[in-house]
Amino acid sequence: SAVISQKPSRDICQRGTSLTIQCQVDSQVTMMFWYRQQPGQSLTLIATANQGSEATYESGFVIDKFPISRPNLTFSTLTVSNMSPEDSSIYLCSVVRVSDYGYTFGSGTRLTVV
Amino acid sequence: QKEVEQNSGPLSVPEGAIASLNCTYSDRVSQSFFWYRQYSGKSPELIMSIYSNGDKEDGRFTAQLNKASQYVSLLIRDSQPSDSATYLCAVNTGNQFYFGTGTSLTVIP
Repeated sequence: SAVISQKPSRDICQRGTSLTIQCQVDSQVTMMFWYRQQPGQSLTLIATANQGSEATYESGFVIDKFPISRPNLTFSTLTVSNMSPEDSSIYLCSVVRVSDYGYTFGSGTRLTVV
Repeated sequence: QKEVEQNSGPLSVPEGAIASLNCTYSDRVSQSFFWYRQYSGKSPELIMSIYSNGDKEDGRFTAQLNKASQYVSLLIRDSQPSDSATYLCAVNTGNQFYFGTGTSLTVIP
């Protein structure tokens, strides 16, 4: 199955600033998914990133707040813009496994906004 | 109604016992079902997938699926302290992946 490298692993940021999270996959994948996991909660899909087209955002998430880039089939970035303490969360990228259609996740980015 | 529901726990079992984790889902057209293990501070790790009714065994883990009852379970035999984690149930409807909120399991030595 695919191996995903995600960075940074954690960061503490000032409110009003932006953070860009990167995910690199060791194989070409059509779709990459960005999730958020707030403390004590399950995973919430932010958006689906397709190479060569705009990302598809889920209800409650907008491009201005969470711009996504997908320049090629192995790489994607998620930016958390104009951060507030409510953005403190774990952010995860994932891809679908060809073998069983489950998800493989990156190692996650633990973001704290102060 | 949530798409996927799990008891949040915490569930505590003694070492060597069987841990039973349960999950129900609402969408009858759901096609594939997954169990993830998530250690504190780590990302979810896929441990089991199941697609058809019945049981699927992999080592100490057994996944059980009952589509008529819209019910998925995970049994962990001979539980070890290293099994202490949060277990997430996930359902793929073909259009969307839904995750439960997870069940926290503690295996007591």
